[in-house]
Amino acid sequence: KAGVTQTPRYLIKTRGQQVTLSCSPISGHRSVSWYQQTPGQGLQFLFEYFSETQRNKGNFPGRFSGRQFSNSRSEMNVSTLELGDSALYLCASSLEVGAKNIQYFGAGTRLSVL
Amino acid sequence: AQSVTQLGSHVSVSEGALVLLRCNYSSSVPPYLFWYVQYPNQGLQLLLKYTTGATLVKGINGFEAEFKKSETSFHLTKPSAHMSDAAEYFCAVSDNTGFQKLVFGTGTRLLVSP
Repeated sequence: KAGVTQTPRYLIKTRGQQVTLSCSPISGHRSVSWYQQTPGQGLQFLFEYFSETQRNKGNFPGRFSGRQFSNSRSEMNVSTLELGDSALYLCASSLEVGAKNIQYFGAGTRLSVL
Repeated sequence: AQSVTQLGSHVSVSEGALVLLRCNYSSSVPPYLFWYVQYPNQGLQLLLKYTTGATLVKGINGFEAEFKKSETSFHLTKPSAHMSDAAEYFCAVSDNTGFQKLVFGTGTRLLVSP
């Protein structure tokens, strides 16, 4: 069974642009979560989606948004990029919702903002 | 709110030596606890998890962790380090309110010397 697939793996953007990252969960998984990883702030939760609905959101500005499609694939969008948005963005999927469910992570998309 | 403290940003051991990575958590409700490993340019891989039941949890690659409620700790150990264990290790906590959100520690980089 294929793992969590994130595309693209690497992105370079300039300040002010917007970017869309994609995540395909493990087949059959219906929950998708997104995390941002930076050297300064570590791993921080962005949002969680289940059945096309955002169930939970972290403490990030409104420039960060996401959505989930009927096939459970998810996208996240960052508008008006800032230098501080440079990070590794990780997507994780799980079979069901619930805190004790294992989250399986993709390899991430590394975003560099110049 | 949940939080995790990992003592020591770097831990160095010799091949064959005991590995001990420390994790203390703070949670107002019974926590679910996880250890993940991250190799360079990769996502996070689950090593083990504690939800309920037996407090000594065995994971992959010979790792285990013990949940000690009285000490609010969930330290990760491995009797004999291998060169391939060199990576960054993250302890994470989630609550049991039904959401998927993981709160991660700052990570510990394990260095293994021959």
